[in-house]
Amino acid sequence: DSGVTQTPKHLITATGQRVTLRCSPRSGDLSVYWYQQSLDQGLQFLIQYYNGEERAKGNILERFSAQQFPDLHSELNLSSLELGDSALYFCASSVGGSGFNEQFFGPGTRLTVL
Amino acid sequence: GENVEQHPSTLSVQEGDSAVIKCTYSDSASNYFPWYKQELGKRPQLIIDIRSNVGEKKDQRIAVTLNKTAKHFSLHITETQPEDSAVYFCAASHGNNRLAFGKGNQVVVIP
Repeated sequence: DSGVTQTPKHLITATGQRVTLRCSPRSGDLSVYWYQQSLDQGLQFLIQYYNGEERAKGNILERFSAQQFPDLHSELNLSSLELGDSALYFCASSVGGSGFNEQFFGPGTRLTVL
Repeated sequence: GENVEQHPSTLSVQEGDSAVIKCTYSDSASNYFPWYKQELGKRPQLIIDIRSNVGEKKDQRIAVTLNKTAKHFSLHITETQPEDSAVYFCAASHGNNRLAFGKGNQVVVIP
């Protein structure tokens, strides 16, 4: 157990809908990262927050947004869902905000869009 | 941005043999190279990492080597065991920047 929690574990929804994925980092970690994992694309970095502020942005679609709250938990919002958004979404956390810090991954949320 | 590629995509080895996975990166300024292991249905976990000021690092049966000139780094697993079967991801970063992950290598250890 990495100490990073994600809810829900599974999510099944329909195209056009909106969902929210939640992540709680390890105690003491200030950075939260969101990744999308699909079979053909590996681990795709979406976005990073550090102590409440956006630190880095990756291949995140405009339909997706995220935020990190004062208690450091983070939410990833996915809207106008398409079939291709079906994937495993991981959250990871680290102590600092630099690329040198080990990232601890949560168990993931499996999103299925029908 | 940084682009990381891994080869081969799938590797099958007999139990007890060695496995080698190679990654190449594009940004010569990258200076941190971790490897993550993801077992089926589980989360990725860091198994070893190396910084650009060293050429090799070992931890029991696993080792990582780095060739900065050629911009590639490799994961070596010796005396492979069935529990080594997993997907292995390499990554690279320029310290203050985010990690760029490769697409992963599936390693299958045949008993």
